[in-house]
Amino acid sequence: ELKVEQNPLFLSMQEGKNYTIYCNYSTTSDRLYWYRQDPGKSLESLFVLLSNGAVKQEGRLMASLDTKARLSTLHITAAVHDLSATYFCAVDSGKNAGGTSYGKLTFGQGTILTVHP
Amino acid sequence: NAGVMQNPRHLVRRRGQEARLRCSPMKGHSHVYWYRQLPEEGLKFMVYLQKENIIDESGMPKERFSAEFPKEGPSILRIQQVVRGDSAAYFCASSPPRTIQETQYFGPGTRLLVL
Repeated sequence: ELKVEQNPLFLSMQEGKNYTIYCNYSTTSDRLYWYRQDPGKSLESLFVLLSNGAVKQEGRLMASLDTKARLSTLHITAAVHDLSATYFCAVDSGKNAGGTSYGKLTFGQGTILTVHP
Repeated sequence: NAGVMQNPRHLVRRRGQEARLRCSPMKGHSHVYWYRQLPEEGLKFMVYLQKENIIDESGMPKERFSAEFPKEGPSILRIQQVVRGDSAAYFCASSPPRTIQETQYFGPGTRLLVL
């Protein structure tokens, strides 16, 4: 059974600081996703990582993927209050008969990020 | 292009009643996924459907839960004889036919409360 583990689960940051959220998963996968969820809201897609060594950046967030280590990181640079949310990583664990992933996502527990002055 | 639509957004049921949750995928999307989020937890996969076909229902409880995605109309997640433990947020997601770079787009969710 695929396990996806995030750490830390709770992160309290000062504005302007940098930090990294880690996502480990237990079996091979060719797709990893990062989502953001605000309280009481739906999930917003941040990044899709498709290959070993993939790195994507959007604003103050940068995500990377190491498929050999089964590890993805979400790096936050110079945090601002607007980044306060819960961040989930998710791994695509479903494969059809042809070996193609079909979007069955297994989520990590989520990291609750709070950015304060 | 409207996003993924779900209704109702909030649903209150008494134990033993039925709950019907609807999901209209984004235009052009033929793949629908249902996930359940219990309070303070991550999302758990329930079922993956294409038009008129259930592809993977490995996350669905064996009893009381069913899902469909008919040729016409929205996808429906049906919970019969609800119990308090069914209280959760149910999210639907959709994606286009498999291509590189696509992601799943999530609806706003239906928050089910069982009294």
